[in-house]
Amino acid sequence: DVKVTQSSRYLVKRTGEKVFLECVQDMDHENMFWYRQDPGLGLRLIYFSYDVKMKEKGDIPEGYSVSREKKERFSLILESASTNQTSMYLCASRPGTNTGELFFGEGSRLTVL
Amino acid sequence: GENVEQHPSTLSVQEGDSAVIKCTYSDSASNYFPWYKQELGKRPQLIIDIRSNVGEKKDQRIAVTLNKTAKHFSLHITETQPEDSAVYFCAANQAGTALIFGKGTTLSVSS
Repeated sequence: DVKVTQSSRYLVKRTGEKVFLECVQDMDHENMFWYRQDPGLGLRLIYFSYDVKMKEKGDIPEGYSVSREKKERFSLILESASTNQTSMYLCASRPGTNTGELFFGEGSRLTVL
Repeated sequence: GENVEQHPSTLSVQEGDSAVIKCTYSDSASNYFPWYKQELGKRPQLIIDIRSNVGEKKDQRIAVTLNKTAKHFSLHITETQPEDSAVYFCAANQAGTALIFGKGTTLSVSS
């Protein structure tokens, strides 16, 4: 069964803290994605990766960075968290075809105080 | 890059009625158009998708239509049931790019 696991379901951080959101998939998928979900704004693409050590900016990369050192793991990093980064973060993965179903994790709800 | 517009943002229907959600996309090179359903507190899950070489696709009570010339596609749900209540997202992309989603439609089915 397809599985995308996000390490933290709920996090509370303070402004200025460095935050790591981890995502692991066990399906040997080449492609991994980070989206941010806010009410009324849908799912907005932050960063994605098509291969190890490779990354591409999405529509809203400002204030974020990513790391993909291993094929199964894709990390989202907030270098200095701000209150406007309070949101639900969804990780997803997809096999190596260019289009096709995205498999989502359960999400990480981050609150920045 | 791709931009996907989705309407309406909310939709309320009576059980047994039909529901239609519409999306438009901007990039004529996009060739893959999926629809995701997200129930409250759960992750989005694919319910149906269509590729640009097909004009319509059906799966039981749900169907998707695609008009490439007008760059719009629609989700049709017939005989709605309370369990159809959820947020629905359309999306679009082409080979080599990431999926870009619409802002979502909250569907409420009352019995």
